[in-house]
Amino acid sequence: GQQLNQSPQSMFIQEGEDVSMNCTSSSIFNTWLWYKQDPGEGPVLLIALYKAGELTSNGRLTAQFGITRKDSFLNISASIPSDVGIYFCAGRTEYGNKLVFGAGTILRVKS
Amino acid sequence: GAGVSQSPRYKVAKRGQDVALRCDPISGHVSLFWYQQALGQGPEFLTYFQNEAQLDKSGLPSDRFFAERPEGSVSTLKIQRTQQEDSAVYLCASSLVILAGRAYEQYFGPGTRLTVT
Repeated sequence: GQQLNQSPQSMFIQEGEDVSMNCTSSSIFNTWLWYKQDPGEGPVLLIALYKAGELTSNGRLTAQFGITRKDSFLNISASIPSDVGIYFCAGRTEYGNKLVFGAGTILRVKS
Repeated sequence: GAGVSQSPRYKVAKRGQDVALRCDPISGHVSLFWYQQALGQGPEFLTYFQNEAQLDKSGLPSDRFFAERPEGSVSTLKIQRTQQEDSAVYLCASSLVILAGRAYEQYFGPGTRLTVT
């Protein structure tokens, strides 16, 4: 089936540093999404991207939908302790249908 | 409540037992999804409803898995004769239906952690 390759698997960074993670696919997606999941909770939507080349920001978060529609990246600027968690990319081939998720990037922040 | 709720939050079952997991979507959300999340992995799609119609069940791993949404609101995921490999977090998500081409995104519940011993 469809798979998303997400990297890095984990990051341990100093508070205040910028973070970058990305996701690639062998398939084309019409929508790219980035979620954050805290322990014992469900994923929470951070950013949604709907057009190839689109660059979208949400506070300190910035994400881009790759031109080829096969990749996306997420940047977090000036990381803070509450950024700790697992970040997932997800792709969708049609509006309203199932999401395909990456395996996640575990983010740890040293304060 | 304002969000998607799931119950129970934790379930321990002995191998061979049947379990039923409940999902209460956000009021007014037409679409409902079930995902399975194994430890250390991302969620994987199981099945999708629009109102009471099950439109896609391609992700259900075996015929021991069954989902229903009889009145187009609450949904139940049932697993018969549970096996150890069924141990995972089961996530439910809901969204508004597509209107005028705009996609409404999925909101996830906290999940039910199933442990099969």
